[in-house]
Amino acid sequence: GQQLNQSPQSMFIQEGEDVSMNCTSSSIFNTWLWYKQDPGEGPVLLIALYKAGELTSNGRLTAQFGITRKDSFLNISASIPSDVGIYFCAGVAGNNRKLIWGLGTSLAVNP
Amino acid sequence: KAGVTQTPRYLIKTRGQQVTLSCSPISGHRSVSWYQQTPGQGLQFLFEYFSETQRNKGNFPGRFSGRQFSNSRSEMNVSTLELGDSALYLCASSLLTVVGETQYFGPGTRLLVL
Repeated sequence: GQQLNQSPQSMFIQEGEDVSMNCTSSSIFNTWLWYKQDPGEGPVLLIALYKAGELTSNGRLTAQFGITRKDSFLNISASIPSDVGIYFCAGVAGNNRKLIWGLGTSLAVNP
Repeated sequence: KAGVTQTPRYLIKTRGQQVTLSCSPISGHRSVSWYQQTPGQGLQFLFEYFSETQRNKGNFPGRFSGRQFSNSRSEMNVSTLELGDSALYLCASSLLTVVGETQYFGPGTRLLVL
């Protein structure tokens, strides 16, 4: 099925560093969602974006809905060990309401 | 408010058997979606139910089916299990608001087919 281009695929960083990841699509999206998944658990919603240009923060996390409506990015500032996990982007294109998913960015944080 | 619950959390079956997984959405959410997650494949959409009707369907064989009850609880069934059906099966419930729609996930059911 259709998937978003999410990058990078994996990251290994030092505690305290900032992290940036993004998702791109060839289609226009109406909604962008960012999730984090811990091992053996379901994805947990971090940030939801509904308008082009929207910039939303959730603690140390900031996400933006790209102006072209074809991309979104997620930044994590001052990373800590509990940020470890897989981060997924997801978007809704058109009126079919189906979520399209990226393949995830695996984040490892070295204390 | 309680989150999405899924039962069972873990399941071991053998090839050829069938399995039924259950999902209880967040109270007030009427839409339930099911996903299959395998390493390297991300989340693959199975189907979505709203008010007891299948509203969207992914590209899975007919062995995968689902239903939704009047209380919004949903079940999915996989018949004639194959080794490749081993995966984490996730259920998500959602609520459509004037701003948009967001899905909230349960912890998943990990199915192992031997």
